[in-house]
Amino acid sequence: GIQVEQSPPDLILQEGANSTLRCNFSDSVNNLQWFHQNPWGQLINLFYIPSGTKQNGRLSATTVATERYSLLYISSSQTTDSGVYFCAGNTGGFKTIFGAGTRLFVKA
Amino acid sequence: GAVVSQHPSRVICKSGTSVKIECRSLDFQATTMFWYRQFPKQSLMLMATSNEGSKATYEQGVEKDKFLINHASLTLSTLTVTSAHPEDSSFYICSARDKTGGNTIYFGEGSWLTVV
Repeated sequence: GIQVEQSPPDLILQEGANSTLRCNFSDSVNNLQWFHQNPWGQLINLFYIPSGTKQNGRLSATTVATERYSLLYISSSQTTDSGVYFCAGNTGGFKTIFGAGTRLFVKA
Repeated sequence: GAVVSQHPSRVICKSGTSVKIECRSLDFQATTMFWYRQFPKQSLMLMATSNEGSKATYEQGVEKDKFLINHASLTLSTLTVTSAHPEDSSFYICSARDKTGGNTIYFGEGSWLTVV
C-alpha cells in the first residue's frame, strides 16, 4: 500500500534557526506535496513537487523521486511557522495520502 | 485560484442527532471529491472518495451507514454523520479534484464537529 513517512515527528526551534524536514515515500506515490496546517486547522499547500527543487521565500523543497524522498527546508524560522507540516502523495486514483506530520514549534 | 469551501466551519450537536457538512467547489467542477477525518494531534485519514452521480467509495474500516456521502452535483458533496456520538467529534476536511485544471486537488478549510 501507499506509505508516506515523515521525520522528525516533533521539532522545537529557536526563532531564526534553520531546519530540514524529511519525507520518505513508497514507489507507488506520485505528485508529492507539502502542506502546513496552522493551529486553526487550515491546511495550506506549500509545494507541489513531484521532482526537483522549488523555493518560495524562506521555504524550499527538494524531491528526489528516484530515491523516493523529499525535503522541506525552513530558513530563518519565525513563530508564525509553528504548526504541523504534512507531506502527502497522490495515488493513481488521485487520493491524497498524508504522512503523520512533523509538529513544529518556534520559540520567540 | 480555485477555492473549495466547507460549511459549517464549526458545529456542535447533541448525541443521537445527525449533522451535515457541505463541501463546494466554487469555480470549477469537481467530479471527484475526498473526505478526510483528523483526530487531535494526528494525521488526516482518508474516509471516502465521493464520485459525482454514483456511490461513494469508502476506505477500509469506515462505516458507510454512519458517514453518508452524497455527491449530487458537480460542485457539491455532503457528508452526513448519522446518529452522532461523542467519539465522532473530530475535524473533517474535504478536497476536490479539478479535472480540467491538470487534476490539481484543492482542500477545503475543514469543519470542526463536537458531539455533546
